[in-house]
Amino acid sequence: GENVEQHPSTLSVQEGDSAVIKCTYSDSASNYFPWYKQELGKRPQLIIDIRSNVGEKKDQRIAVTLNKTAKHFSLHITETQPEDSAVYFCAASIGGYSTLTFGKGTMLLVSP
Amino acid sequence: GAVVSQHPSWVICKSGTSVKIECRSLDFQATTMFWYRQFPKQSLMLMATSNEGSKATYEQGVEKDKFLINHASLTLSTLTVTSAHPEDSSFYICSANQGVSNQPQHFGDGTRLSIL
Repeated sequence: GENVEQHPSTLSVQEGDSAVIKCTYSDSASNYFPWYKQELGKRPQLIIDIRSNVGEKKDQRIAVTLNKTAKHFSLHITETQPEDSAVYFCAASIGGYSTLTFGKGTMLLVSP
Repeated sequence: GAVVSQHPSWVICKSGTSVKIECRSLDFQATTMFWYRQFPKQSLMLMATSNEGSKATYEQGVEKDKFLINHASLTLSTLTVTSAHPEDSSFYICSANQGVSNQPQHFGDGTRLSIL
């Protein structure tokens, strides 16, 4: 089955800095890669996703890049703000409507 | 759009009690719903995939007689934790999508289950 590795497990940055979280996946058949943000005790919220036919996608301060050959994808957050502090999960699946395999999560701490 | 409602949000009960958690898709029909369990400071672990009108598919290591799943309609799936024990205490989250390609999964608010 699919295996998703996520690094780092914890990331501390100063407000205004950029943050990068990286994930690798094992199943070359995976073609859908969402990123979720989860605040303590709350539901995971989809913040951005990318499909294998695209190498990069951007939405304001958030961007995701995908390297199919190397089987890794990354989340980039620019101009970080304290409200960006949360746990971020990457995931991979085939088709987007099938089961998601999650990474172990990255706790992002943005200090004012 | 694509709202998933989960109820209850918090349950505290005695050991041996059975607890039912509901997951509803409010504005779309969900042919497939997923049930996850999340322990503190850990990732979401898929427990089972619930398909409307058929038996759920359980992940390895998840007891199907312990965690009963029913997906009787296109908008409702239920998870029943039978004879719950303290080790079943966890955060249970459901998600749903329309089963159509290019539609992401949407999560419910989760249910925090505490067994005394």
